[in-house]
Amino acid sequence: DAKTTQPNSMESNEEEPVHLPCNHSTISGTDYIHWYRQLPSQGPEYVIHGLTSNVNNRMASLAIAEDRKSSTLILHRATLRDAAVYYCILRGLQSDYKLSFGAGTTVTVRA
Amino acid sequence: EAQVTQNPRYLITVTGKKLTVTCSQNMNHEYMSWYRQDPGLGLRQIYYSMNVEVTDKGDVPEGYKVSRKEKRNFPLILESPSPNQTSLYFCASRYSTRDSPLHFGNGTRLTVT
Repeated sequence: DAKTTQPNSMESNEEEPVHLPCNHSTISGTDYIHWYRQLPSQGPEYVIHGLTSNVNNRMASLAIAEDRKSSTLILHRATLRDAAVYYCILRGLQSDYKLSFGAGTTVTVRA
Repeated sequence: EAQVTQNPRYLITVTGKKLTVTCSQNMNHEYMSWYRQDPGLGLRQIYYSMNVEVTDKGDVPEGYKVSRKEKRNFPLILESPSPNQTSLYFCASRYSTRDSPLHFGNGTRLTVT
């Protein structure tokens, strides 16, 4: 199964952008890149996903490298509410049902 | 409101006393899954179900059972709980397509003494 690698933690100041990297060097051509986040004391929530092209939604943007071996989740203006653990996962033909999440990146936002 | 509902939110029990954690979704999702979350280990999948009467093991199935008799419900059963099953449990569901997002419940904090 294709795996992902994320930094353990990142810090940001409020109202500044946050760029969260994810490496997935063994990604296959049919794997979707999904991002979730988990706020304190809550279940994970969906943020964004993409296949090849960059994607934007009301929560964030997803920038996918041309070779698809890495991606970056972009929070354009961090707020205190964005402090959470962010998970990057791949969903493909071989790994779409049996699917676990790694430790993710813990984002701290300073006021 | 579209949601995944888990009950109970908190549960304290003793070793060996059978328990069931319920999970229900109102989105007509085909796929449902159970996870446990322990410090530093991320979310590890226990069991999943692709549809009614179709279940399979995840990464950490030992000590757990599941059933999927109806599309909306996916209970997690601990026949003989042990202290190493003390954890935070999450149920999730989604449609069967690969770009369909997972929807998670709010979690069940289980303590086995």
